[in-house]
Amino acid sequence: DAGVTQSPTHLIKTRGQHVTLRCSPISGHKSVSWYQQVLGQGPQFIFQYYEKEERGRGNFPDRFSARQFPNYSSELNVNALLLGDSALYLCASSLQGWENTEAFFGQGTRLTVV
Amino acid sequence: DQQVKQNSPSLSVQEGRISILNCDYTNSMFDYFLWYKKYPAEGPTFLISISSIKDKNEDGRFTVFLNKSAKHLSLHIVPSQPGDSAVYFCAASGNNFNKFYFGSGTKLNVKP
Repeated sequence: DAGVTQSPTHLIKTRGQHVTLRCSPISGHKSVSWYQQVLGQGPQFIFQYYEKEERGRGNFPDRFSARQFPNYSSELNVNALLLGDSALYLCASSLQGWENTEAFFGQGTRLTVV
Repeated sequence: DQQVKQNSPSLSVQEGRISILNCDYTNSMFDYFLWYKKYPAEGPTFLISISSIKDKNEDGRFTVFLNKSAKHLSLHIVPSQPGDSAVYFCAASGNNFNKFYFGSGTKLNVKP
């Protein structure tokens, strides 16, 4: 039974470039959230999508955007990359998005901006 | 603003003894709390959760206690095992369903 899958696992980009990270939720889960984790800190909420609609957005600049597809997979896009965007990007899926339930995380994408 | 705080960056415990990890929060609107365990190079793994209508939830060796008046929760692991060595994060959510606020983590080392 597949868990949350993210691709790629590692990525190196240059300042100013654009990056797209991908996430496939657990089968049957309709809610996907994105988190950024920098070294020494806990994950920080970026976006939540449910049924292809944005349900929540964290305190991140407009360079960050996301979308959810009809099959509930999701993409996180970051434009004009900065060195400070280097982090582990985590995707989490939940059964639904209208009540609190546990979220299950993927292994993350390690993004390094040089 | 750090709404969820884990003030102990690390904890070392002998195998077989109890591990107690603590977490404090400031937002009284939080009503759902979770603990995650994270190994290096892996995503966080869900351990246990508790709703604010309860003050205790137990799952095998793991028990979470919630003290709403103190805005404090704790995770008890009994007995601790070397495989429990990992970073533990507490997280909280309010009426922004499934938007979780995480603490900075506590690194648990269980010594054989």
